[in-house]
Amino acid sequence: GAVVSQHPSRVICKSGTSVKIECRSLDFQATTMFWYRQFPKQSLMLMATSNEGSKATYEQGVEKDKFLINHASLTLSTLTVTSAHPEDSSFYICSAETGGGGYSNQPQHFGDGTRLSIL
Amino acid sequence: QKEVEQNSGPLSVPEGAIASLNCTYSDRGSQSFFWYRQYSGKSPELIMFIYSNGDKEDGRFTAQLNKASQYVSLLIRDSQPSDSATYLCAVATYGNNRLAFGKGNQVVVIP
Repeated sequence: GAVVSQHPSRVICKSGTSVKIECRSLDFQATTMFWYRQFPKQSLMLMATSNEGSKATYEQGVEKDKFLINHASLTLSTLTVTSAHPEDSSFYICSAETGGGGYSNQPQHFGDGTRLSIL
Repeated sequence: QKEVEQNSGPLSVPEGAIASLNCTYSDRGSQSFFWYRQYSGKSPELIMFIYSNGDKEDGRFTAQLNKASQYVSLLIRDSQPSDSATYLCAVATYGNNRLAFGKGNQVVVIP
């Protein structure tokens, strides 16, 4: 259970291109999904929290106009990197929380990640 | 002070031995604690989660939580070469589903 699918797994494109990444929860509904970025040899950095039916919450320093997030259904969130440049090259990973209530946070389960390379 | 710290350098352990990983956190309001395993070039995979003080065992893995001292640890018993990976500690505060990650500890199991 708790499978998160992320697509595509790898993107190589020219500078100035916009790239869309999809994140789907396959066997559960996720009201909240998360988008992370990871540079080589570094830990995960949370970019934004995606909430179904409402605007995403971005972390400090993340440009919301550059990284567009849409969470249109309980099983799908998308991240669009607009006008990507070489410095946006990174490993982008989404996650979803299984929910279920209770007083503690439920574990986040991660997609396989998208390796983005901007030439 | 960083929210979540994993200070140890790469950890090399012989096959069959116990690998011990430590993590400290700064927010006393933290309620939920997670260990993820990340193979090189892959995304993190949930290993353990713990909410209460004490030990929690799952197979060869044991998570230990001490909220008074603000640390959480992970023990890997009977280490296998397939355990060679980076282990990430993550912490969340009650009512805030944002996870704070440590930098990770690399574990190398030597056959």
